[in-house]
Amino acid sequence: EAGVAQSPRYKIIEKRQSVAFWCNPISGHATLYWYQQILGQGPKLLIQFQNNGVVDDSQLPKDRFSAERLKGVDSTLKIQPAKLEDSAVYLCASSLRNMNTEAFFGQGTRLTVV
Amino acid sequence: DAKTTQPPSMDCAEGRAANLPCNHSTISGNEYVYWYRQIHSQGPQYIIHGLKNNETNEMASLIITEDRKSSTLILPHATLRDTAVYYCTLNNAGNMLTFGGGTRLMVKP
Repeated sequence: EAGVAQSPRYKIIEKRQSVAFWCNPISGHATLYWYQQILGQGPKLLIQFQNNGVVDDSQLPKDRFSAERLKGVDSTLKIQPAKLEDSAVYLCASSLRNMNTEAFFGQGTRLTVV
Repeated sequence: DAKTTQPPSMDCAEGRAANLPCNHSTISGNEYVYWYRQIHSQGPQYIIHGLKNNETNEMASLIITEDRKSSTLILPHATLRDTAVYYCTLNNAGNMLTFGGGTRLMVKP
């Protein structure tokens, strides 16, 4: 079974630029998560989708971050404009449903803002 | 705020059992205990989860206390490849996974 695919693996941008990350979850997985992991810390949830609807985005900095999951399959996370403190690994995960099933994580996108 | 607390780091000798504790004193009745681990430069990997009974799979065992306020993940025969950060999290239907700081396990030869 193919895992969660993320691209790009690495991205370097200047502050105030825009960036987008893409995630393709495991086929059939209804729930999709985006996490931000700053070096040395645990992953922090940004947004959770159930199919193409948002379950929770309370920790998403909506003034600069946006995410969508059109058609309930793949998803994009965008940052506009980026700040230095956005430097982190952005992880995407999916699960079959949100009823106590394991989540599968992608390898993440490492973003460096200079 | 993370609802679990774990020691920041632990060492274990190769071939010995690694016992990783987790405190979740405010756990509610419908919350499951999940364990994930993260090896350097990779995404977290699911290990095991349970509600109130002890659980075992091919990777590990999970022991949950009777009052459910704490749990222990047991790696029965740790290898060098088990060196990773181990996260204990709580989850119930509809809730997202919230990760704390985790325990950095170092398995030494």
